[in-house]
Amino acid sequence: GAGVSQTPSNKVTEKGKYVELRCDPISGHTALYWYRQSLGQGPEFLIYFQGTGAADDSGLPNDRFFAVRPEGSVSTLKIQRTERGDSAVYLCASSLGSGDHEQFFGPGTRLTVL
Amino acid sequence: AQKITQTQPGMFVQEKEAVTLDCTYDTSDPSYGLFWYKQPSSGEMIFLIYQGSYDQQNATEGRYSLNFQKARKSANLVISASQLGDSAMYFCAMKGFQKLVFGTGTRLLVSP
Repeated sequence: GAGVSQTPSNKVTEKGKYVELRCDPISGHTALYWYRQSLGQGPEFLIYFQGTGAADDSGLPNDRFFAVRPEGSVSTLKIQRTERGDSAVYLCASSLGSGDHEQFFGPGTRLTVL
Repeated sequence: AQKITQTQPGMFVQEKEAVTLDCTYDTSDPSYGLFWYKQPSSGEMIFLIYQGSYDQQNATEGRYSLNFQKARKSANLVISASQLGDSAMYFCAMKGFQKLVFGTGTRLLVSP
């Protein structure tokens, strides 16, 4: 079966623009996570979905960041008024359930804000 | 708050030798999980091994083993018989409630 997929793989945008990053989790996985990885750092948690609802959004840096998962499968991370500091790799992960140990990661979307 | 510390920015090992990557953690949660992930240059995070805080025995997965010392709050990864394909970034992570908290990683370079 297919793993976690993320689109686009690369996104270059200008400061102030709006971007959407998509994550398609493994089929049947109810838990979905977004992380952000800056250069030379480990991934940092952004938001966690259990089903359609955001169970923990404590990692979102500010109100320019928003994520949805309307049907409990595909998720979209939305960033408004992008800033150069938003440049990073955005990683999505999914797991079978919230109690499962292993999170399966996608290949990430590299966002560059010029 | 949970914290993961990886003090080795880079490690070198010769092919077929064993190598230990250090990881210490801090948490006030009585129940937690510890993970190691490998991130090759392609960027994808690959799960290697998991250790639960209540597990009595150290976890092993093929050439990977986790040296878990609860009293010292350490969870070192041991890779036996290193291969050239093991060259990558390695991240230690902790799971408390649901999210993973990662360290800054160790870059491992395996030489022929």
